[in-house]
Amino acid sequence: DTGVSQNPRHKITKRGQNVTFRCDPISEHNRLYWYRQTLGQGPEFLTYFQNEAQLEKSRLLSDRFSAERPKGSFSTLEIQRTEQGDSAMYLCASSLTDSGTDTQYFGPGTRLTVL
Amino acid sequence: GQSLEQPSEVTAVEGAIVQINCTYQTSGFYGLSWYQQHDGGAPTFLSYNGLDGLEETGRFSSFLSRSDSYGYLLLQELQMKDSASYFCAVRDSGAGKSTFGDGTTLTVKP
Repeated sequence: DTGVSQNPRHKITKRGQNVTFRCDPISEHNRLYWYRQTLGQGPEFLTYFQNEAQLEKSRLLSDRFSAERPKGSFSTLEIQRTEQGDSAMYLCASSLTDSGTDTQYFGPGTRLTVL
Repeated sequence: GQSLEQPSEVTAVEGAIVQINCTYQTSGFYGLSWYQQHDGGAPTFLSYNGLDGLEETGRFSSFLSRSDSYGYLLLQELQMKDSASYFCAVRDSGAGKSTFGDGTTLTVKP
């Protein structure tokens, strides 16, 4: 399977704990995006990378959130001191620069539940 | 700011045609995409319009009018498997970042 993969698929944690999610994009894709989605809403942009450079972060992303893509391949999203409001589906997507159609390929997501 | 509006729900019968509209107000505009998402699944790309006009991909077509800040997705010969949420998304720069609408839930009835 050469699609976007995310791990873990589900994460349950207690408020105040730190969590880290991983995304493996399609291998030749140089852009990687993180989105958050809650029930009844569309994906909400968090941040994106072109190769290893983090080029944009949403103003909605508090300093408890950090993302890395150290070698321009996989990426991690860490949430520190989780809050109940962080409960959501965290989606990763990848794309190829100048693909024309800007097709973003989404992974299956990591569902976070903060108790 | 960025805002996209689309109807929250649409219902149609098998074999029919349905149109899902999307209007947008964004600080920049590079193109309009449409994604489908089934319950519990990931969004999957359907169509993209970078220029005005109609793009056709099988049973799905998408239209864009940049002067009206408006687009639509047209689904023909509806099938039960088309029951899903449909999102319009504006690419607001060449960088590829997209702002998504809140989605339209399509229910196809027999």
